[in-house]
Amino acid sequence: DAKTTQPTSMDCAEGRAANLPCNHSTISGNEYVYWYRQIHSQGPQYIIHGLKNNETNEMASLIITEDRKSSTLILPHATLRDTAVYYCIVRSLLADKLIFGTGTRLQVFP
Amino acid sequence: DSGVTQTPKHLITATGQRVTLRCSPRSGDLSVYWYQQSLDQGLQFLIQYYNGEERAKGNILERFSAQQFPDLHSELNLSSLELGDSALYFCASSGRTTSYEQYFGPGTRLTVT
Repeated sequence: DAKTTQPTSMDCAEGRAANLPCNHSTISGNEYVYWYRQIHSQGPQYIIHGLKNNETNEMASLIITEDRKSSTLILPHATLRDTAVYYCIVRSLLADKLIFGTGTRLQVFP
Repeated sequence: DSGVTQTPKHLITATGQRVTLRCSPRSGDLSVYWYQQSLDQGLQFLIQYYNGEERAKGNILERFSAQQFPDLHSELNLSSLELGDSALYFCASSGRTTSYEQYFGPGTRLTVT
């Protein structure tokens, strides 16, 4: 599975959009980008995933660059409850396990 | 609520002991995964079972073993416990939907003293 690079930490004001970047320059054609988050020692929570098209669901939007070497997770209106560690994971559908990096610690402040 | 349940929530035991962690996957999910999260190692994949059969192995110690039963619940057995085994242990399940996302349980916090 391709490795990912994320900033260690980010801050965001409540109500503003949180844009979390992820670099995955060695991603291969059959690998998807998945995002999970972990709120203070709770079990990781699936957020969204995509292959090459931008995706949106009730939690977030995922923007993948045309060359697929990077992506951005967007939380459109961050709340205090969005404070968590966000993990960007690249995996093929055949590779069942998730390989977690160190993630980005997002702090949403009032 | 992910639909994945884990018991117990907390476990405190002494070095050298053996413990069993239990996981019930989401209804209908055939795959169960175990992960360990310690302060110095982060979240690490241990092992996966699919419909009762071992499917993939990660950084699982020989002192650790797992199994998945016919009703699809899974148990992770940790023996000859050491201080370094203190960690959060998460179970996840997936149902082979087209998106293959995994749903995690709340975890079991193991403290070895």
